[in-house]
Amino acid sequence: GAVVSQHPSWVICKSGTSVKIECRSLDFQATTMFWYRQFPKQSLMLMATSNEGSKATYEQGVEKDKFLINHASLTLSTLTVTSAHPEDSSFYICSARRRGNRYEQYFGPGTRLTVT
Amino acid sequence: SQQGEEDPQALSIQEGENATMNCSYKTSINNLQWYRQNSGRGLVHLILIRSNEREKHSGRLRVTLDTSKKSSSLLITASRAADTASYFCATGAQETSGSRLTFGEGTQLTVNP
Repeated sequence: GAVVSQHPSWVICKSGTSVKIECRSLDFQATTMFWYRQFPKQSLMLMATSNEGSKATYEQGVEKDKFLINHASLTLSTLTVTSAHPEDSSFYICSARRRGNRYEQYFGPGTRLTVT
Repeated sequence: SQQGEEDPQALSIQEGENATMNCSYKTSINNLQWYRQNSGRGLVHLILIRSNEREKHSGRLRVTLDTSKKSSSLLITASRAADTASYFCATGAQETSGSRLTFGEGTQLTVNP
C-alpha cells in the first residue's frame, strides 16, 4: 500500500505556456500533499504544502501565482506551472501524507519538466 | 530552507564493503528519516528514527541519532551494486503538524561490482 503516482512522468513545453502536473494517492487518503522541486544533482526543496480543501501554504521565495496548487480531493493534488520559462525546467516531485500518520511521506516518481 | 548537511557528498566503495553516510542538522527535530533516490526517480523511504531514539535497524541498514550533536548516520552493511543511489536525510521539525520535512544535500553512493 501507500502508492503515489504522478502524471506526466516527463513533459516538454514551450516558453510561455502552462503545464499541469497531477499527483495521486492510489490506495490511501492523503490529507496533506507536498510539492518539491529538485535541480540536477541537488537536494529536494519544498515548494508548498497543500491540505485537502484548503489553500496551499507556499515556502518563502516560491511564487504562488506562478505555481498554482490545487488539492481538490483526498487523492489528488495538481501543480500548474504558469507561463513557464526555461529556468522552471526541473524535476518536480510530490509526496503525500496518509491520514493518521504524522511523520511518513510517500513520494511519487517525479515529473521531469523541460521548458524550451 | 535546507538545514541538513550530509557528508561525504560522494562515496565510492567495493561490493561487500560497508558504507557510512552522515547527516547534520541545525534545529530541534521531532524525527529524522533517510531516503534513497535512484537517478531520475522518486524517493524511497528507508527508515525513520524519532528524536527519543538513538539507534534503529532495518535489514542491512543501521541508523543512529545523536540529538546532542544534531547528527545522524546511516550505515549500509555488505553493500551491493544495487545499493548505488543517492541517499538523503530529512528532518521533521518539532511542530504540531509533524510532517514537514527538510532535506539534506544528499550523498551519492556508488558500489562497484
